[in-house]
Amino acid sequence: AQSVTQLDSQVPVFEEAPVELRCNYSSSVSVYLFWYVQYPNQGLQLLLKYLSGSTLVKGINGFEAEFNKSQTSFHLRKPSVHISDTAEYFCAVRFSGAGSYQLTFGKGTKLSVIP
Amino acid sequence: NAGVTQTPKFRVLKTGQSMTLLCAQDMNHEYMYWYRQDPGMGLRLIHYSVGEGTTAKGEVPDGYNVSRLKKQNFLLGLESAAPSQTSVYFCASSSIAGGAKNIQYFGAGTRLSVL
Repeated sequence: AQSVTQLDSQVPVFEEAPVELRCNYSSSVSVYLFWYVQYPNQGLQLLLKYLSGSTLVKGINGFEAEFNKSQTSFHLRKPSVHISDTAEYFCAVRFSGAGSYQLTFGKGTKLSVIP
Repeated sequence: NAGVTQTPKFRVLKTGQSMTLLCAQDMNHEYMYWYRQDPGMGLRLIHYSVGEGTTAKGEVPDGYNVSRLKKQNFLLGLESAAPSQTSVYFCASSSIAGGAKNIQYFGAGTRLSVL
């Protein structure tokens, strides 16, 4: 079984500063990794995903994440945040085997961008 | 592009009342899921369906029932609501394609309060 740990429940950051949201996973098999974003009072939107290939993945709104297999991490980064990035961010993992479809989510990180 | 639509958006119930949450998707997806989201808990899978007429239990199925009579609809029922079921409920769907193509798309959520 896989599990996901988001190391920070809340991250405050000043506008235009860089941010990193940390995600570690545990799994005995190969996985796919995802970051979802949830804006206030909205549903979840896929931000980016790692499926295979380059370990640096670029997503929407200037976010990127790097898959590190040796450290079993998939940290999310943005070089300069905006007020509109205030949201909750969820890391998720899925077993990469044929027929796999269930996502396991982390508990979420609330990003607050301070003007 | 409607995607995944959930109704209702908000609901208040009294303990012991029953209700049904409706999820509809227009992407011809085979797989559908119901999650609940609680503060600090991330998303937890309640039930899921891998096709019309089939359902299965997820991580937290107690107190809920589901039905998938039509491919595009996935209903979540609460027969006798309890305060512990106060939560935000999300529906998601994904295609039958295995591996990298199986991406979950989420609805906007239903906010349920049980008094």
